[in-house]
Amino acid sequence: DAKTTQPNSMESNEEEPVHLPCNHSTISGTDYIHWYRQLPSQGPEYVIHGLTSNVNNRMASLAIAEDRKSSTLILHRATLRDAAVYYCILRPRGYSGAGSYQLTFGKGTKLSVIP
Amino acid sequence: DTGVSQDPRHKITKRGQNVTFRCDPISEHNRLYWYRQTLGQGPEFLTYFQNEAQLEKSRLLSDRFSAERPKGSFSTLEIQRTEQGDSAMYLCASSLGGQGANEQYFGPGTRLTVT
Repeated sequence: DAKTTQPNSMESNEEEPVHLPCNHSTISGTDYIHWYRQLPSQGPEYVIHGLTSNVNNRMASLAIAEDRKSSTLILHRATLRDAAVYYCILRPRGYSGAGSYQLTFGKGTKLSVIP
Repeated sequence: DTGVSQDPRHKITKRGQNVTFRCDPISEHNRLYWYRQTLGQGPEFLTYFQNEAQLEKSRLLSDRFSAERPKGSFSTLEIQRTEQGDSAMYLCASSLGGQGANEQYFGPGTRLTVT
């Protein structure tokens, strides 16, 4: 399985932008980069995904390095509700054998937001 | 669409008892997944269904665990002869099939405590 590396924890002040990094140096050409987050006492929640180009949605932006070996999840204005564990996950595009559809979570980055 | 629901939300049982959890996925989703999460760790994949067929099972799913998805709608996860090591949050997720990112939508989880 392709692996990702994330910092264990990060802090941000409320209403400031947050950049959450993820390294995935062994990514294959057909892997999507997914981000999920898990708020306290809840199930994980899909945030965003991308393949090669940067992506924006209502929750966040995803910046993908040109060589695709790293990516950054950007929260434009952190709120207290954004305090969560953020997971960066690689998934193959389509079916490529056993394990293609499951999500393989690491420990993620615990984001604390300071009021 | 009310999202993925799980029942019960909490279960306390004595070692050696059997427990059963239920998951109701988003109605049009044909893929359903079970994960287990222990404190401080990311969720770990247990098993995956496409419609009523159980297509993949993790090595974590010992003989004491069984999952079903009759008629391709709701799913149940049964643990027989529970052990203290089974104490965890059990998460269910669902997704649409086909090509694409197949983002997964998670339920709130069932927290199992084995005493």
